[in-house]
Amino acid sequence: DSGVTQTPKHLITATGQRVTLRCSPRSGDLSVYWYQQSLDQGLQFLIQYYNGEERAKGNILERFSAQQFPDLHSELNLSSLELGDSALYFCASSVEAAPSYEQYFGPGTRLTVT
Amino acid sequence: GDSVTQMEGPVTLSEEAFLTINCTYTATGYPSLFWYVQYPGEGLQLLLKATKADDKGSNKGFEATYRKETTSFHLEKGSVQVSDSAVYFCALMWNSGGGADGLTFGKGTHLIIQP
Repeated sequence: DSGVTQTPKHLITATGQRVTLRCSPRSGDLSVYWYQQSLDQGLQFLIQYYNGEERAKGNILERFSAQQFPDLHSELNLSSLELGDSALYFCASSVEAAPSYEQYFGPGTRLTVT
Repeated sequence: GDSVTQMEGPVTLSEEAFLTINCTYTATGYPSLFWYVQYPGEGLQLLLKATKADDKGSNKGFEATYRKETTSFHLEKGSVQVSDSAVYFCALMWNSGGGADGLTFGKGTHLIIQP
């Protein structure tokens, strides 16, 4: 158990819909990362937050957005969903936003868009 | 942009065999390098890392050396066990600001160890 929790574990929704994925980092971790794992694209970095502020963006679509709240939990919002958005979405947390600090991954949320 | 290339497999070995999973990277500079492991149905776990050239990361019998001359970070283990069956990801991350600060992953290598 990494100490990072993600809810829900599974999500099934229809095209065009909007969903919110939630991540609670390990206690004391200030940085949260979101990743998408799909068969087509592999594992891709989406976005990073540090202590409530957006820190870096990766391959995140404009239809996707995220935020980190004062209690440090984070939410990833996916809108106008397409079939290709079906994937496993991971959240990871670390104490600081630097390579020397290990990223701890949650178990993921499996999103299926039908 | 940055990229990581690794053999995709599946790689099938017998128990106690020697393991090598090749990983090379393309980047303008010297990022930190990582190996992550993903067991079925679980999230990724950090296996080992190296933050500068010639560093060797090691953990649980696995080793990898950061070779800047060949831009490589090959994963090795002298004697694999059935419990090592998993998907292994090579990844890089930058040491300081600029660009995306998340991990850039290879496509993963599925390792199957047979008893």
